Amino acid sequence: ETGVTQTPRHLVMGMTNKKSLKCEQHLGHNAMYWYKQSAKKPLELMFVYSLEERVENNSVPSRFSPECPNSSHLFLHLHTLQPEDSALYLCASSQGLGHYGYTFGSGTRLTVV
Amino acid sequence: KNEVEQSPQNLTAQEGEFITINCSYSVGISALHWLQQHPGGGIVSLFMLSSGKKKHGRLIATINIQEKHSSLHITASHPRDSAVYICAVLNAGGTSYGKLTFGQGTILTVHP
Repeated sequence: ETGVTQTPRHLVMGMTNKKSLKCEQHLGHNAMYWYKQSAKKPLELMFVYSLEERVENNSVPSRFSPECPNSSHLFLHLHTLQPEDSALYLCASSQGLGHYGYTFGSGTRLTVV
Repeated sequence: KNEVEQSPQNLTAQEGEFITINCSYSVGISALHWLQQHPGGGIVSLFMLSSGKKKHGRLIATINIQEKHSSLHITASHPRDSAVYICAVLNAGGTSYGKLTFGQGTILTVHP
């Protein structure tokens, strides 16, 4: 256990479903991130939250909607996804933006059918 | 051309061998991370470097800022070291939002 917990670990959803991914950290970090890892591609940054404010949206389609209600929790709300959105979604946190204690969760393996 | 290039992409070794994975980058950075990803997806941060060399157990990471190059070495490799090793750079300058740019990863397989 790294200190960053993601649930669920696996998710299968239809294209018309609405689901949410959850990320939780109790490391005292103040920045949280969503990353996407597609097959045979490098990790891609999706969203960055610093002090609960979104500071970057890396050209992510609106069918992905992040939410950061407090510094310990980060959600990724999913709706009307496409099969090409199937991937491993990783959450990470750090103290400050990217420098200290960068810690990843174990990821959610998402399959869109 | 990717901003972060790793070599080799695939590496197979026998247990006990000394292993080197290389990372070259083309942008100015403030730090470089080496990450380890096991099957199943979880990623563990091994090192964060901004200069010089760091050692943790059998793992050694070095960085040469002038040459924009970093290496990860594994001494006395073991089958449990089998994983994907990922180099990621933290872009420098401007409004750096903690954005990491990742290499494509090196798949390491260590046979007993």
